[in-house]
Amino acid sequence: DTEVTQTPKHLVMGMTNKKSLKCEQHMGHRAMYWYKQKAKKPPELMFVYSYEKLSINESVPSRFSPECPNSSLLNLHLHALQPEDSALYLCASSQDATGDYYGYTFGSGTRLTVV
Amino acid sequence: AQTVTQSQPEMSVQEAETVTLSCTYDTSESDYYLFWYKQPPSRQMILVIRQEAYKQQNATENRFSVNFQKAAKSFSLKISDSQLGDAAMYFCAYRSHEQGGSEKLVFGKGTKLTVNP
Repeated sequence: DTEVTQTPKHLVMGMTNKKSLKCEQHMGHRAMYWYKQKAKKPPELMFVYSYEKLSINESVPSRFSPECPNSSLLNLHLHALQPEDSALYLCASSQDATGDYYGYTFGSGTRLTVV
Repeated sequence: AQTVTQSQPEMSVQEAETVTLSCTYDTSESDYYLFWYKQPPSRQMILVIRQEAYKQQNATENRFSVNFQKAAKSFSLKISDSQLGDAAMYFCAYRSHEQGGSEKLVFGKGTKLTVNP
């Protein structure tokens, strides 16, 4: 399995809702990432988990809450979002720094619309 | 902090022709990786090609090749025999090492490539 699977593919939520985005990989990668991408812009890093521990948090608002239950799963919990949070949310994984490095494997993203 | 610059917001090429996308970067590190990612309208980021900075030889992957100029900090992507399926947003990226061994990709702003039939 050489994929990163993200669910759901599309999500519409109200500003008072609580929802979660899910990301899964079975490549044995030990680092996982959440990126936010607005239209026609590059991805912006939100969080990095390395060996299931949060290692980078790029000053993301607390209405975004990441969780890494195990080395294969990464969740992003959403609460009280704002319309400006509407974006494509990309999950990615990479192997740790042993051996050859092949970059990230990305999921196909969750298109989030906050109404 | 590392930065990646793509100076061409949009490019176009005729089918079967060759096109070169530019990328420059700024870093004080001596060992690093550089990547080109493709993002078609289907939105999944797909790795096109990677280059290890310590390797002198330019990476190639079928119709895709890079011109890596380490001293000039330049990393351009050449697409030969362009196909309609090559139309996408192309992002140049640099692998940045953070304290504690964590890493992240630093992306350029992207170049939108149109392929004309």
